[in-house]
Amino acid sequence: EVQLVESGGGLVQPGGSLRLSCAASGFTFTNYWMHWVRQAPGKGLAWVSRIDFDGSRTNYADSVRGRFTVSRDNAKNTLYLQMNGLRVEDSAVYYCAGGARGAYYFDPWGQGTLVTVSS
Amino acid sequence: QSALTQPASVSASPGQSITISCTGTSSDVGGYNYVSWYQQHPGEAPKLMIYDVSNRPSGVSNRFSGSKSGNTASLTISGLQAEDEADYYCNSYTSYSTPYVFGTGTKVTVL
Repeated sequence: EVQLVESGGGLVQPGGSLRLSCAASGFTFTNYWMHWVRQAPGKGLAWVSRIDFDGSRTNYADSVRGRFTVSRDNAKNTLYLQMNGLRVEDSAVYYCAGGARGAYYFDPWGQGTLVTVSS
Repeated sequence: QSALTQPASVSASPGQSITISCTGTSSDVGGYNYVSWYQQHPGEAPKLMIYDVSNRPSGVSNRFSGSKSGNTASLTISGLQAEDEADYYCNSYTSYSTPYVFGTGTKVTVL
């Protein structure tokens, strides 16, 4: 069964840090770009970041560039998102999603992990 | 870079057809055939419904179809069913520094 399971969300104060993880199973992880997408409470989806198959290329949304870092450990089939300098507006459910080699869409998706930035 | 523009809501009776538009620019929707559509029920993760403008993944009902004209993509749901009530988001690859952009989202209500 294809599965993505996020973890690491929680409550953090403004300016704090958090690291999200996304464990993949049921598919060949190294054949997928991996993405982070977030959804603020009651709001729409927003693309956050992506990393290529071996971690050599990354991209970020303007709103998180310089504060967030995406990485992956292919030996552990795990994707990460290190979030520093967190702001209230970063509060959201964070989803990881896969993009197969040559694909410009997101499938599969994880169930999401909630990040709340509040004092 | 702004989100792609979608109508906030669309509603129709069971059995009818609806079309959701997704308007961007020549740097995203109009520039690439890489528009995808996602269905999201409350409390659930998004689900891929259409990719590359008009392709349906295995397992997605053929009641869902996609198209594109210029800078506007469209998702059509025919024979509307109660289970289609959900939020729908378009997404496009872009030439901007942020390589992907989502639409503002459309709430579909089955009357």
